[in-house]
Amino acid sequence: QQQVKQSPQSLIVQKGGISIINCAYENTAFDYFPWYQQFPGKGPALLIAIRPDVSEKKEGRFTISFNKSAKQFSLHIMDSQPGDSATYFCAARKRGYQKVTFGIGTKLQVIP
Amino acid sequence: SAVISQKPSRDICQRGTSLTIQCQVDSQVTMMFWYRQQPGQSLTLIATANQGSEATYESGFVIDKFPISRPNLTFSTLTVSNMSPEDSSIYLCSVRDTLSGALDHNEQFFGPGTRLTVL
Repeated sequence: QQQVKQSPQSLIVQKGGISIINCAYENTAFDYFPWYQQFPGKGPALLIAIRPDVSEKKEGRFTISFNKSAKQFSLHIMDSQPGDSATYFCAARKRGYQKVTFGIGTKLQVIP
Repeated sequence: SAVISQKPSRDICQRGTSLTIQCQVDSQVTMMFWYRQQPGQSLTLIATANQGSEATYESGFVIDKFPISRPNLTFSTLTVSNMSPEDSSIYLCSVRDTLSGALDHNEQFFGPGTRLTVL
């Protein structure tokens, strides 16, 4: 049972374009939603995270949009660069629990 | 962020042998976890390493196959026992909640991983 559904699994974006990765969840007990970026041969790195009490969080070119009623959240990468080419994972954690549930991952390729 | 190192970074092992992976953190942390990531796949939690007590394993993972130690707040080991080719994967150490309080206690960080190939 996939508790956090992530799409698309792969994405090709032109340099300078906007990359959009979407995630959806069912369990309303989730209260923390991080995004991770993973380069080949490296461990995942925390990119940005959001709590459900805000609808948007921005850090540089990276923005999380959160729709609590729809139980969806998305990562937008503005002005995408070839250096952004990596695999991105959305995740969620339940209130009071230690375990983080990860999405399946999206392999992003930004082409010049 | 917390700085996490893992040893070895990669290894090639023979079927039936065991490998112990070490995880060292540069600060004391409350939570330490071990994950497995098969090539091109997402991350699967193996267990939570508890200091001073037995690890808490996720469904599908057992102590005899993946014994874990956590002698203090900065160090843990994961052993992959009696290996088979199906154990070929990347094993990742992860931590959360530094005791110093310098980081958001929600933030979880990952080590660089240990790439294991079993022949």
